[in-house]
Amino acid sequence: SQKIEQNSEALNIQEGKTATLTCNYTNYSPAYLQWYRQDPGRGPVFLLLIRENEKEKRKERLKVTFDTTLKQSLFHITASQPADSATYLCALRDTGGGNKLTFGTGTQLKVEL
Amino acid sequence: GAVVSQHPSRVICKSGTSVKIECRSLDFQATTMFWYRQFPKQSLMLMATSNEGSKATYEQGVEKDKFLINHASLTLSTLTVTSAHPEDSSFYICSLQVLRTGSTSDTQYFGPGTRLTVL
Repeated sequence: SQKIEQNSEALNIQEGKTATLTCNYTNYSPAYLQWYRQDPGRGPVFLLLIRENEKEKRKERLKVTFDTTLKQSLFHITASQPADSATYLCALRDTGGGNKLTFGTGTQLKVEL
Repeated sequence: GAVVSQHPSRVICKSGTSVKIECRSLDFQATTMFWYRQFPKQSLMLMATSNEGSKATYEQGVEKDKFLINHASLTLSTLTVTSAHPEDSSFYICSLQVLRTGSTSDTQYFGPGTRLTVL
């Protein structure tokens, strides 16, 4: 069966450290993968998109990697701040899946002072 | 990015009543909008794809007669939950798809969500 898995346990890190979140998928052939941020009681906000032929993408303090062999994407936040505390969702567009996005369950990140 | 609004942000209703949720695109003409549902600590689940001027496409397991979708203009899509029951209580989120010229990918912009509680 198809699955998109993210760490269900919250990730707690200290301010200034790098946070690394994992997204693993099974039985998909992603055309591309996206990362979103979701705050409590709010809709997701788009952060980054990485295509199947890209290994790495950066945007300010954010970095996303994509390994189609491992079927995994890693999302990094460097120099983390308490304001980065939120739930981070990965989502992918399956090749041949039309324009549908399928989301993982998200990982909650807490950045402590 | 695109700005998407939803109304209402919260609604509490009695079992058996119908509730309408509006999703507006404030600065893009959206030919395609999506409706998602999210239960606590769970993923966003796509319910249906709303196409302007035509019938919505529903995901497997979503009752089209219970969740009525109308996309009558390029800036407005509505979701009506008919004969709501407590198990319909959830967070409903719409999004619109923005296709970038010359790109094979797209970004979805999400509304702020509507919290529905059915008593």
